[in-house]
Amino acid sequence: TQLLEQSPQFLSIQEGENLTVYCNSSSVFSSLQWYRQEPGEGPVLLVTVVTGGEVKKLKRLTFQFGDARKDSSLHITAAQPGDTGLYLCAVINTGGFKTIFGAGTRLFVKA
Amino acid sequence: DAGVIQSPRHEVTEMGQEVTLRCKPISGHNSLFWYRQTMMRGLELLIYFNNNVPIDDSGMPEDRFSAKMPNASFSTLKIQPSEPRDSAVYFCASSLLARTPNQPQHFGDGTRLSIL
Repeated sequence: TQLLEQSPQFLSIQEGENLTVYCNSSSVFSSLQWYRQEPGEGPVLLVTVVTGGEVKKLKRLTFQFGDARKDSSLHITAAQPGDTGLYLCAVINTGGFKTIFGAGTRLFVKA
Repeated sequence: DAGVIQSPRHEVTEMGQEVTLRCKPISGHNSLFWYRQTMMRGLELLIYFNNNVPIDDSGMPEDRFSAKMPNASFSTLKIQPSEPRDSAVYFCASSLLARTPNQPQHFGDGTRLSIL
């Protein structure tokens, strides 16, 4: 069983549509990170959320950390082909050295 | 600024051969991580170093895998002998781990390894 469950696994949408992807766990975390990985490249950090209920915005991307700090969501408004990629959520284990990644949501935005 | 640099970008070799992957972390970073990514298993941490010392190698799949970090600017991941099931994209990442939590990891562009 994965520590972090991401859904959906795959998502294919038209340009201009809105979408939400989820990262869920039964564990409580002190913080959670979202990365985006584009084809042929390594993951790049988008945001870190640390407070229960926290909402962070990055242009058309809105990230929310659940009140109980067990889950998070990423909402994209008016998706563009440039948003295509693998979205990974990640947490850092107790002790602060080891980052554990979810399996990711693979997003494809069609022009 | 130079990011994490990995070489080679692609490697195709026959099973049984030795494979060496190389990584140059971002200057000033004190932690280095090796990951393997496949469609089936996602992104798996193999080993990480802090101040050039291996801290956790519990993700290294078998004795055929070994990693070294002889200095702060260079690390290698070696597979000997290689097998077809080792085919994957291998990423190196570096980070500045300090008392401040949630430091991001900076990834290289990966080495796509194919074992025939």
